Amino acid sequence: AQSVTQLDSQVPVFEEAPVELRCNYSSSVSVYLFWYVQYPNQGLQLLLKYLSGSTLVKGINGFEAEFNKSQTSFHLRKPSVHISDTAEYFCAVSVGSGGSNYKLTFGKGTLLTVNP
Amino acid sequence: DAGVTQSPTHLIKTRGQQVTLRCSPKSGHDTVSWYQQALGQGPQFIFQYYEEEERQRGNFPDRFSGHQFPNYSSELNVNALLLGDSALYLCASSRRLRSSYEQYFGPGTRLTVT
Repeated sequence: AQSVTQLDSQVPVFEEAPVELRCNYSSSVSVYLFWYVQYPNQGLQLLLKYLSGSTLVKGINGFEAEFNKSQTSFHLRKPSVHISDTAEYFCAVSVGSGGSNYKLTFGKGTLLTVNP
Repeated sequence: DAGVTQSPTHLIKTRGQQVTLRCSPKSGHDTVSWYQQALGQGPQFIFQYYEEEERQRGNFPDRFSGHQFPNYSSELNVNALLLGDSALYLCASSRRLRSSYEQYFGPGTRLTVT
């Protein structure tokens, strides 16, 4: 079975500073990797995904992530954060084939707080 | 284009009662998945419905059951509610044969069991 570990439960940063949210996964087979964001009292919104190909994935709102198979990691980065990036971020993994026939396994989340 | 919608937004129930939550998928989507998100935790997969049948199930007891209708909308039923069932219940929809692997989430239903 697959699992996801988000190494930091909370990450405080100042506005315009860079940020990295760490995610490690474990799986005995090939995986697909995702980062979702959850703003207060809302559902989840997909930031980016890695399915195959280039290990550097670019997403919405200036976020990017790098898939590292040898280290089983998929860390999320942004070079300069804004106050509006304050939210909970979830890393997720799925194992599946043939389209959307899969379930997502989530980490416990990282609360990113951007301070002025 | 309406996204995934869920009802009700909030719900308060008493231990032992039963509850039904509803989900309408995004237009063009045929697969619905349900997740439970306890406070301070990541979402946990409950089950997935496609073609009106349960296709996958997570580690949840039989008190959790579901249904999918011909219009692809879905219900989640929880019987004999426990205090530990208090959580945000998220519905996600997708297109089964689409290789984008993207699931679209609704805003959730906040269930409080007292």
